[in-house]
Amino acid sequence: DTAVSQTPKYLVTQMGNDKSIKCEQNLGHDTMYWYKQDSKKFLKIMFSYNNKELIINETVPNRFSPKSPDKAHLNLHINSLELGDSAVYFCASSQGPDVYGYTFGSGTRLTVV
Amino acid sequence: ILNVEQSPQSLHVQEGDSTNFTCSFPSSNFYALHWYRWETAKSPEALFVMTLNGDEKKKGRISATLNTKEGYSYLYIKGSQPEDSATYLCAARDSSYKLIFGSGTRLLVRP
Repeated sequence: DTAVSQTPKYLVTQMGNDKSIKCEQNLGHDTMYWYKQDSKKFLKIMFSYNNKELIINETVPNRFSPKSPDKAHLNLHINSLELGDSAVYFCASSQGPDVYGYTFGSGTRLTVV
Repeated sequence: ILNVEQSPQSLHVQEGDSTNFTCSFPSSNFYALHWYRWETAKSPEALFVMTLNGDEKKKGRISATLNTKEGYSYLYIKGSQPEDSATYLCAARDSSYKLIFGSGTRLLVRP
């Protein structure tokens, strides 16, 4: 049983399209995150929700919008996709926002053509 | 802004060698330090979370230490095995909720 699952694993789409990436965790964790792996392979925080409340909203274009319908799900919606949005996006969860290790999903490779 | 640096960028060792890597972070406003192991084609996996100056944690042949006053952490692997080959990521958190990752140390253990 996958602890943090992301769908889709791969996403190829054209510039200008709107797409969503879904993330679900079955660990009972309170906190979920979206990270982007940039071109230099750094993991950069984008958003975090704790019990459905937004606690981190990093400086990302407002074309990116997270949605957390419940604490087990954190989806990422991207409007008007641009070439520079191509990256691997990782979802993660933790018991809480404080001093707990993160459990990561397997990543979604987004390619914008 | 928290800046986390790791060294070396990559490391090749022989099976059986012991090795260590360094993670540096700003000591002011420090809150927590994480270590992760990231194997190719898998997700990062949490190894340790440390908060207190002088903390030492151990999991099998892997251990980590933390110095919050000078802003560094060491990760040690004793008797490296080929299955230890991975990228080891360090991440630090200050009083905000943001966990900032370093670029990682890529370890290759030759049989």
